[in-house]
Amino acid sequence: AQTVTQSQPEMSVQEAETVTLSCTYDTSESDYYLFWYKQPPSRQMILVIRQEAYKQQNATENRFSVNFQKAAKSFSLKISDSQLGDAAMYFCAYRRSGGSNYKLTFGKGTLLTVNP
Amino acid sequence: GAVVSQHPSRVICKSGTSVKIECRSLDFQATTMFWYRQFPKQSLMLMATSNEGSKATYEQGVEKDKFLINHASLTLSTLTVTSAHPEDSSFYICSPSKGGGETQYFGPGTRLLVL
Repeated sequence: AQTVTQSQPEMSVQEAETVTLSCTYDTSESDYYLFWYKQPPSRQMILVIRQEAYKQQNATENRFSVNFQKAAKSFSLKISDSQLGDAAMYFCAYRRSGGSNYKLTFGKGTLLTVNP
Repeated sequence: GAVVSQHPSRVICKSGTSVKIECRSLDFQATTMFWYRQFPKQSLMLMATSNEGSKATYEQGVEKDKFLINHASLTLSTLTVTSAHPEDSSFYICSPSKGGGETQYFGPGTRLLVL
């Protein structure tokens, strides 16, 4: 079974600084997707970034980028120029490629605090 | 991203009553619907997966007779918590999927409080 591990229950960063959230996963599949979701206090799950396993290039979305190391099964999220609005719970998630029934497997989350 | 609505956003009910939660995908057809529950400061826990027109598949430990899921159309799914008890108080989130590698989007969630 696939597992996703986020080893940092909590992280903090100063406004305008950079922070990296860690995520590792375990799978025997070769084709899959990885995601970072953000859950602010409103509890609405928001997609931050996604990575297709077959792509070697790391995904980037504005201030958010990932470091995807397929062989090491590592998928970290880097947030640059942190803003107060980035404060939230961040979940790393894995999904097998293919049918619509394949479920997301979530990590336990990392609570990010942004200090002014 | 996709537009997903959930209704109600909050509900308080008495123990023993049933509560229905609606989830609608407003701008795409969801072949599959996932239902999650989330306790405070915890991750999302998958309860069940349903395909349009088919019976839902429940995760281990989730009572199918207590959490009734209907996925009658490609844009609407409902979760009914039957004979609710205080331990059912939680945050329930739906997540429709178009399938394949498509990103899964999430509804805004429903806070259920059973007194």
